[in-house]
Amino acid sequence: KQEVTQIPAALSVPEGENLVLNCIFTDSAIYNLQWFRQDPGKGLTSLLLIQSSQREQTSGRLNASLDKSSGRSTLYIAASQPGDSATYLCAVRGGSGTASKLTFGTGTRLQVTL
Amino acid sequence: DGGITQSPKYLFRKEGQNVTLSCEQNLNHDAMYWYRQDPGQGLRLIYYSQIVNDFQKGDIAEGYSVSREKKESFPLTVTSAQKNPTAFYLCASSPGLGAYEQYFGPGTRLTVT
Repeated sequence: KQEVTQIPAALSVPEGENLVLNCIFTDSAIYNLQWFRQDPGKGLTSLLLIQSSQREQTSGRLNASLDKSSGRSTLYIAASQPGDSATYLCAVRGGSGTASKLTFGTGTRLQVTL
Repeated sequence: DGGITQSPKYLFRKEGQNVTLSCEQNLNHDAMYWYRQDPGQGLRLIYYSQIVNDFQKGDIAEGYSVSREKKESFPLTVTSAQKNPTAFYLCASSPGLGAYEQYFGPGTRLTVT
């Protein structure tokens, strides 16, 4: 059964810092990995999608890497801003017997202060 | 303006009543999904549909039912058999079941008392 863990669970940093959020999954037989942002009481906004054949994806100040063999993805946020404050979720599609579903981590709650 | 809409945003019901949550998408996606989110837990899959008139149970389907009569619509009914229905419900869609990006709606918060 695929399990996804996100580290840290919460993070508070001053504006301007570069950040690293980690996503660890137990079954490396994945199709892809997706990072999302969720603001309080809102739906999920897709940030980046990395296919299993890719090593990284970039969008603006965000960069996500994928190391399937070690079961890990890392989301880098450069020059953090207060507007980045949200919960960041990662989800993997696949793992043995789970080709059709996304398995989610419980998220990293980020607070960027002035 | 393309996207996924869910209504209502907030829903209150008495215990023992069935309630239907709406999900509509105009992205021309074949696959649609329903997830449930509880505090401190990851999103969990309730039901998904690959195509019109077809749907499959997810991890926590007990006490829920769905229909997929139109490509654009995937309503979820929370029945009185669901033991803990109070939660945040999220609908999503993707072009297909394969390695595609999933897009989410704004969610419906259901409170049952």
